[in-house]
Amino acid sequence: QVQLVESGGGLVKPGGSLRLSCAASGFTFSDSYMSWIRQAPGKGLEWVSYISSSGSTIFYADSVKGRFTISRDNAKNSLYLQMNSLRAEDTAVYYCAKERGGWLDYWGQGTLVTVSS
Amino acid sequence: EIVMTQSPATLSVSPGERATLSCRASQSVSTNLAWYQQKPGQAPRLLIYGASTRAAGIPARFSGSGSGTEFTLTISSLQSEDFAVYFCQQYDNWPWTFGQGTKVEIK
Repeated sequence: QVQLVESGGGLVKPGGSLRLSCAASGFTFSDSYMSWIRQAPGKGLEWVSYISSSGSTIFYADSVKGRFTISRDNAKNSLYLQMNSLRAEDTAVYYCAKERGGWLDYWGQGTLVTVSS
Repeated sequence: EIVMTQSPATLSVSPGERATLSCRASQSVSTNLAWYQQKPGQAPRLLIYGASTRAAGIPARFSGSGSGTEFTLTISSLQSEDFAVYFCQQYDNWPWTFGQGTKVEIK
């Protein structure tokens, strides 16, 4: 069965960095488009970043452009999100998700990122 | 950016009754619309894509309709496990955007 397991969240000070990872299994990762979505506490969902199967196409939300970098390692079935210059408003649960045609058919359980001094 | 607006914010429904949730897009998204269900402490789960196609394993009591800017998710007979928050999402134009959610609560 499809599994997506995020890791790397935690408490970080404003201006700091974190690298999130997502380990994928149960499907052909190298053929799949992937995304990161976040949800601030008690709030709605925000699409953060998208990467095509080969990594050749990448999109970012304006709110994270220039600070976050999405990447993938198809040999390791892994997705990453490097987050730099973190702000309080980046505090959220970050989900990795498998995309299919624009919709998200499988989600991980999420990892909490808290940005606070 | 396409703004997705869901209504109502909260819907109080008795078990066994029908629930009708609305989602409006600020510009046409054709049928490039998905619906998700989220329970407390859990990740969202895909219910509907292409505005009306049920995802694998989703019960037939869930149905989606609409195109362009107006969409509806209908739950024909609410079961106890259906009380949750529901989000719509457009994937017609990047950035993909979500509605703010409709909470379906027990009346």
